Amino acid sequence: QSALTQPASVSGSPGQSITISCTGTSSDVGGYNYVSWYQQHPGKAPKLMIYEVSNRPSGVSNRFSGSKSGNTASLTISGLQAEDEADYYCSSYTSSSTLFGGGTKLTVL
Amino acid sequence: EVQLVESGGGLVQPGRSLRLSCAASGFTFDDYAMHWVRQAPGKGLEWVSGISWNSGSIGYADSVKGRFTISRDNAKNSLYLQMNSLRAEDTALYYCAKGQTLVVPAATLDYWGQGTLVTVSS
Repeated sequence: QSALTQPASVSGSPGQSITISCTGTSSDVGGYNYVSWYQQHPGKAPKLMIYEVSNRPSGVSNRFSGSKSGNTASLTISGLQAEDEADYYCSSYTSSSTLFGGGTKLTVL
Repeated sequence: EVQLVESGGGLVQPGRSLRLSCAASGFTFDDYAMHWVRQAPGKGLEWVSGISWNSGSIGYADSVKGRFTISRDNAKNSLYLQMNSLRAEDTALYYCAKGQTLVVPAATLDYWGQGTLVTVSS
């Protein structure tokens, strides 16, 4: 299976909102409400930010939100802060594996 | 506090084998599926393999099927990855990750270790 499609990079200024898309197919993103988003700072392990499309784990800021429409999921970060600068990966359940996106580098200007 | 500590990485020649381990603590290990995810230098995440709580269900990425074997020892709270016939393209940081549920495949990986580096080179 091919990786999910994410933009290579996005950027925004402090205080602004940005959205990262994650496009798959009806066999993954579109077929299940099991999309997750992970944040990874340089040299660090990934951290779960959103699960099951729109749920936030305990301790994750409510500035992070997720949604899905058809075969495309989205991560929105509002009130952008310098500490949000990181790589973001989406993932989706499939019937045989866990599929990741290629990753998006978020730059806070 | 959930902790996952990987070990066993290193430099290995192509065609040789390596066994990775992951020591888990801070949660009831045999209540959850466990997974290996890798990240090649400068690249994205790739799910490698997952094993259900009782080892009854196991999955592999096509890229490692037939060469890698995942296993777990619930008495020791440990996860393993036996890697045989290693190739240069297997060079990566290998993360141990906890599934949010009992089963595989995983919908969510809620905790990750810091990773162990595997370098395949002659």
